[in-house]
Amino acid sequence: AAGVIQSPRHLIKEKRETATLKCYPIPRHDTVYWYQQGPGQDPQFLISFYEKMQSDKGSIPDRFSAQQFSDYHSELNMSSLELGDSALYFCASSLLLASTDTQYFGPGTRLTVL
Amino acid sequence: GIQVEQSPPDLILQEGANSTLRCNFSDSVNNLQWFHQNPWGQLINLFYIPSGTKQNGRLSATTVATERYSLLYISSSQTTDSGVYFCAGPNTNAGKSTFGDGTTLTVKP
Repeated sequence: AAGVIQSPRHLIKEKRETATLKCYPIPRHDTVYWYQQGPGQDPQFLISFYEKMQSDKGSIPDRFSAQQFSDYHSELNMSSLELGDSALYFCASSLLLASTDTQYFGPGTRLTVL
Repeated sequence: GIQVEQSPPDLILQEGANSTLRCNFSDSVNNLQWFHQNPWGQLINLFYIPSGTKQNGRLSATTVATERYSLLYISSSQTTDSGVYFCAGPNTNAGKSTFGDGTTLTVKP
């Protein structure tokens, strides 16, 4: 079965650079979530989209922005990167009207900021 | 938002032992998921379990929604079971998930 795809899997950037993370949800899923997991931490919710509209927002810095496109893939754009942005970034998808709203997580993108 | 507490924070077992991990949540959750994060960082979904009991091989989980807790049972543990176990859940339909702090399980050969 198709799973959530994230790219790239690993990314190394310098401070003050920008990064773009991509997420391709499971086909027919209409909701996408982004989570950030710092070293030794649990995943923290950043932002979510339902049918290409932002549905909820968590502790996402103003330097970050995200959107969901017409084909339902999502991109997380991160600017003016800081050392503290080094983390695992997970994307998850779900189907709102499914009998079970299980969130399926992608493999994550490991971002390292030097 | 809801608070999710997991216990114990760390657990060390000998291979073959059984264990029980607990997840308490402060408010009702629309669903509850258990995950295993492997050493490579991947979050593997173990169970979607808003209520009742489910079993999958050596793993089983029980959620008592009215008492706001869930249990994950691991029987005959193997070294490959090592990693961090998270429980997580939203409190609204298709809402964001709040994760517990995790239980770090180490299974020794």
